[in-house]
Parts: sequence; structure tokens; C-alpha cells
Amino acid sequence: DAEITQSPRHKITETGRQVTLACHQTWNHNNMFWYRQDLGHGLRLIHYSYGVHDTNKGEVSDGYSVSRSNTEDLPLTLESAASSQTSVYFCASSPDFLGGYTFGSGTRLTVV
Amino acid sequence: GESVGLHLPTLSVQEGDNSIINCAYSNSASDYFIWYKQESGKGPQFIIDIRSNMDKRQGQRVTVLLNKTVKHLSLQIAATQPGDSAVYFCAENSGGSNYKLTFGKGTLLTVNP
Repeated sequence: DAEITQSPRHKITETGRQVTLACHQTWNHNNMFWYRQDLGHGLRLIHYSYGVHDTNKGEVSDGYSVSRSNTEDLPLTLESAASSQTSVYFCASSPDFLGGYTFGSGTRLTVV
Repeated sequence: GESVGLHLPTLSVQEGDNSIINCAYSNSASDYFIWYKQESGKGPQFIIDIRSNMDKRQGQRVTVLLNKTVKHLSLQIAATQPGDSAVYFCAENSGGSNYKLTFGKGTLLTVNP
């Protein structure tokens, strides 16, 4: 069965370190998204991609970057982790029509 | 800026009762709406969707109502069960070739046995 997987599930890192969160989908979806979830803010869009080599900034993109070298993967990199980036991160993918949005199980990141 | 919001942050109901979760949206250009359910420790799961050319859509035990006049969306869950306990989010999309979703802040539904 097709799926979308995130790794790691939990990560603790130190302030200033570079961190990469992985997202891999086998749906063959063109569109992939990264959201962060914080209490009181719901899900906020960080970056998104509509295809290979396409990347776009979302509403909270500062301090984050993504790259899309193939259809299956959209890794999220925190260039220099900050305590404000402690959050739960969700990856999602969708086909080129609405209604097919699928989320991963999330990565809980703690920056100490 | 444009936003999607919820009227009630928490809702507690008795098992077997019907639940109604509300959502207000402010982007008049939005033409597609989705309700998601998120259980503890998991990612959001699709429940039901509705397009702006509809007022009502029914699924299994769930109904979504859309009132475009007052920009209001609601999710009705019939005969609520303990397994329905979760956070519920509404999300909107403004259409075209844009596949991004804007999410509300969520409502925690607690079902008491």
C-alpha cells in the first residue's frame, strides 16, 4: 500500500545545530508540504513543492529550507536550530486535485 | 490577513449524543473545505470535504454544512462514540492551481462514556 513516512519520530537537538527531517511518500504525488503544529496556532505551512526542483515558501519559512530532487522525498532542513523551532512537524502530499491530501505521522522536534 | 478560525476550542459530549463543531472562515475566495480529525500522536486524517457549490454533504455518521452567506462551516457527528474523541480541524483552499490548505486552530472533542 502507498504511504507517507516521516523520520525520525522524535528528535532532540542543540541550539545552533543543523537538523534535517525526512519525508518520503510512495503515492507518486506531485505536491508535498511541510507544516508545523503548535498549541494555539494549529497547522502552519512552512514550505511546499509542486514537483521535482520546485520549492516555495509558506507563511513561516524563516530558518527552514527544502529541496526536491525526486518525486518521493521532500526533506526539511533547519539551518541553525533555535528554541522557537521546538514543535511537531507534519509532512503531507497530494495529487493534482483537492481531496487527496495525506499526512505523515509527524516528527516531534525539541531544541535545547 | 485571511484566516480560518473556530468558535469553540473544546467540546464535551455524552456518548450517543450528536456533536456539532463550528468553523468560521474569512477568505471569500475559498471554494473548497475539508474537515480533519487528529488523534493524539497521529497526523490529521481526512473526514469529509465540501465544495462551495454545495450547502451540505453527508458521509458515514458525519455531515458538513456550508453557509457561504456568513462564511460558516460546521461538522455534525451523529451518535458520537468514544473513538470520536480527537481534535478536529477545518481547512480551506482558495482554488485554481493552488493546492495549499489553510487550517483553523482546532477543537478538542471529548466523548464521555
